[in-house]
Order: sequence, then structure tokens, then C-alpha cells
Amino acid sequence: EAGVAQSPRYKIIEKRQSVAFWCNPISGHATLYWYQQILGQGPKLLIQFQNNGVVDDSQLPKDRFSAERLKGVDSTLKIQPAKLEDSAVYLCASSGGGLAGGGGETQYFGPGTRLLVL
Amino acid sequence: QKEVEQDPGPLSVPEGAIVSLNCTYSNSAFQYFMWYRQYSRKGPELLMYTYSSGNKEDGRFTAQVDKSSKYISLFIRDSQPSDSATYLCAMSAGIGYNQGGKLIFGQGTELSVKP
Repeated sequence: EAGVAQSPRYKIIEKRQSVAFWCNPISGHATLYWYQQILGQGPKLLIQFQNNGVVDDSQLPKDRFSAERLKGVDSTLKIQPAKLEDSAVYLCASSGGGLAGGGGETQYFGPGTRLLVL
Repeated sequence: QKEVEQDPGPLSVPEGAIVSLNCTYSNSAFQYFMWYRQYSRKGPELLMYTYSSGNKEDGRFTAQVDKSSKYISLFIRDSQPSDSATYLCAMSAGIGYNQGGKLIFGQGTELSVKP
């Protein structure tokens, strides 16, 4: 079973520029998550999709971040304009139900995109 | 106060040592407790999952949850250099987005096991 794919793996941009990240979840997984992981911190949920609908974007800085999941499969996360504090790893995860040991939804993470804003 | 607190380390141990990793939390609604392992430049992967209080063992790994103290632990026996990674605790109040299922992560503990 192929895992969660993300691209690009690395990106360096100047502040105020825009950037976009792409995620392809595990086939058949209805739920897709975007997390921000700042160096030395745990992942923080930015947005969660159930199929192609948003179910939680409470921690997404909507003045500069946007995300979409057209057709309920692939997803893109965009930052425009980027700030220095956006430097982080952006992780995409997906889940399709069934937590190891029974109950819940195991989240499978991609390798992440490392963003450096100069 | 953060909802989940985790000692960031770094923690360095010799091969074969017993490792204890811990998290405390403040939200008494949390019922699902997980440990993720994250290798350098990789995404987190689920290592252990526990529902409510109690212990769970999987090979060299044991997860413990003490809800009365709001404290969870992960023990690694006979640690190996391949265990060198960042260990993240995570927890949620429920399952699914409409039942408090959002995962809240600790900041991670960086572990290094020296040969």
C-alpha cells in the first residue's frame, strides 16, 4: 500500500512570496489533515477535510493560508504572502478509519515539506 | 498552560538501557492516548495506542496511562540504536471530527541510543 505522498520536499522562499504544497493521501482515505510542525514542537493541526469538505480549520491563519481538496482526493495548501514565522515542516496525513487495536482513526503521515522563509 | 506537556530532552542513553518517556496533560476529557515515533526528516508514525487508563505492551514497548494523575508514559526496554528518533505523545477526547477527535501533540522528546 502506497503511503501519503507530498511535494516538494524542500522549499526556500523570500518573505512576502507565495508557496504551495501538494498532498496525495492513501487511496480510499476520506479524511485528510494538514499540520504545521515548527522546529522543536509537535505537529499542530491547520485544517481537516472529510472528503472535499472542511470540518476543522480553526487554527488556520485564514488571512494568508488557504487549502483545498478538489474531488476529495489530492489537496493543496497555499501560503500567500509568507512570513518568517511560517518556516516549518508542513505535514499531510490521511485516515480511513480503524485505529490499531480497535476504534478510532489512525492517521498516516507523509514525509512533510520543509519550508524556509528568508 | 499547554494542554500537553512533554520534556523535549534531548535524552541520550547507552544501548540496552531502559528508556522512560513521559507526558502530562490538563484536559480531563482526553481518552485516547498515542505515541508516535518520528525519524529525522520523516513524518510521524504510530507506535502505540491506548484507550483510557491502563497498560499496553508491544514487544520492547510498554505504554502506560494514569488518568487520575493526567500522566502517560512510554517505556522502551533493551533500547537499540535504531530507536533513536523523536517520540511524540498525542491524545484526543474522542473519535472523529464531531466527537472531539482532534489530536493534540506534545512537543516531542529527542532520543539518542548510543552503541
